[in-house]
Amino acid sequence: EPEVTQTPSHQVTQMGQEVILRCVPISNHLYFYWYRQILGQKVEFLVSFYNNEISEKSEIFDDQFSVERPDGSNFTLKIRSTKLEDSAMYFCASLDTYTEAFFGQGTRLTVV
Amino acid sequence: EDQVTQSPEALRLQEGESSSLNCSYTVSGLRGLFWYRQDPGKGPEFLFTLYSAGEEKEKERLKATLTKKESFLHITAPKPEDSATYLCAVQETSGSRLTFGEGTQLTVNP
Repeated sequence: EPEVTQTPSHQVTQMGQEVILRCVPISNHLYFYWYRQILGQKVEFLVSFYNNEISEKSEIFDDQFSVERPDGSNFTLKIRSTKLEDSAMYFCASLDTYTEAFFGQGTRLTVV
Repeated sequence: EDQVTQSPEALRLQEGESSSLNCSYTVSGLRGLFWYRQDPGKGPEFLFTLYSAGEEKEKERLKATLTKKESFLHITAPKPEDSATYLCAVQETSGSRLTFGEGTQLTVNP
């Protein structure tokens, strides 16, 4: 079964540092997403990416966040200057033509 | 704004005791309703996508149904390994995001 791969599984960073979370989506999918889940809370949408550009973003996805698909296979989420409240599980997801959306196992980001 | 409400928040069942989880939604136009299973510390695992009222899908002990206002996830004769949080998400016709509910934490005791 195809899967979405995320690295690293856990990242600890100091407040104010930049982090890059990486994802390899399912190869023939068209839509790519980042979501986050703060411990004990629901899964929240951050951004969707289609045809090499952002198609939709949430209020959470401010100027501190950026996404990139640098080489046609990887999909990255960059947080420029991390805050304590950025600590969460970050999930990458990919979707074919609106039928099945698969999630990766997540990156646990801890900001200290 | 999309609203997705799942009930109950938590459910404890005995092995073999069938039950249903509810997902109520409010959207201006539904493209799809997604069900996921999530184990602690893991990513959501895709179960079903439903598109129109009256649609039903089954997978092992799980059956999902959809009406114009809600979806049910029926669990028949559950086993302890079915213990997980079950998430519902909706996708609106005007966008690409999935909006999730809070989830139902299911515990099946042997």
